[in-house]
Amino acid sequence: DQQVKQNSPSLSVQEGRISILNCDYTNSMFDYFLWYKKYPAEGPTFLISISSIKDKNEDGRFTVFLNKSAKHLSLHIVPSQPGDSAVYFCAASARTGSEKLVFGKGTKLTVNP
Amino acid sequence: DARVTQTPRDKVTEMGQEVTMRCQPILGHNTVFWYRQTMMQGLELLAYFRNRAPLDDSGMPKDRFSAEMPDATLATLKIQPSEPRDSAVYFCASSGGLNTEAFFGQGTRLTVV
Repeated sequence: DQQVKQNSPSLSVQEGRISILNCDYTNSMFDYFLWYKKYPAEGPTFLISISSIKDKNEDGRFTVFLNKSAKHLSLHIVPSQPGDSAVYFCAASARTGSEKLVFGKGTKLTVNP
Repeated sequence: DARVTQTPRDKVTEMGQEVTMRCQPILGHNTVFWYRQTMMQGLELLAYFRNRAPLDDSGMPKDRFSAEMPDATLATLKIQPSEPRDSAVYFCASSGGLNTEAFFGQGTRLTVV
């Protein structure tokens, strides 16, 4: 049972445009959400996070939006750059004392020059 | 230089052999995760520890996999006997507290022939 779902395996965007990556979750106990970026042959690196008490968190070109009622979050990258091309993973955890991070399967973003 | 260190980076072994992967978490981090990345499943959580105690290893095939933390600076993941279906990239990650991001190592690429 996939608790964190990234339904788009890939996304292609033109440089300078907005990239929107989506993530859905099923476990209502999740209250902390993260996005990671992964380049080939490297480990995932943390990008941005959001707590369930917020609905938006912004860091430079990256913004994460959380819609708790829909159990949906999205990552916006604007403007997109070729160096953003990577696999993006959505992850979630529950504030029950467990720090278990559950990941989606990832979305491969390609930003074309 | 705070980072998670994994050894070896690459391992090729024959079916039936024992494989041991090692991880040095970031100093001071009290939670350590083992993940496996495959094309089909994305990032699967195999096991995780807090303060060296195993909290959840439900994602791990119990008959052949074992995970331990002999001390706070070393986590090990062992497969005995290894099988071709174990071929994947294995990541170790550590975090410093509840609802903080996890930092990943560069992974061990395991190939079982």
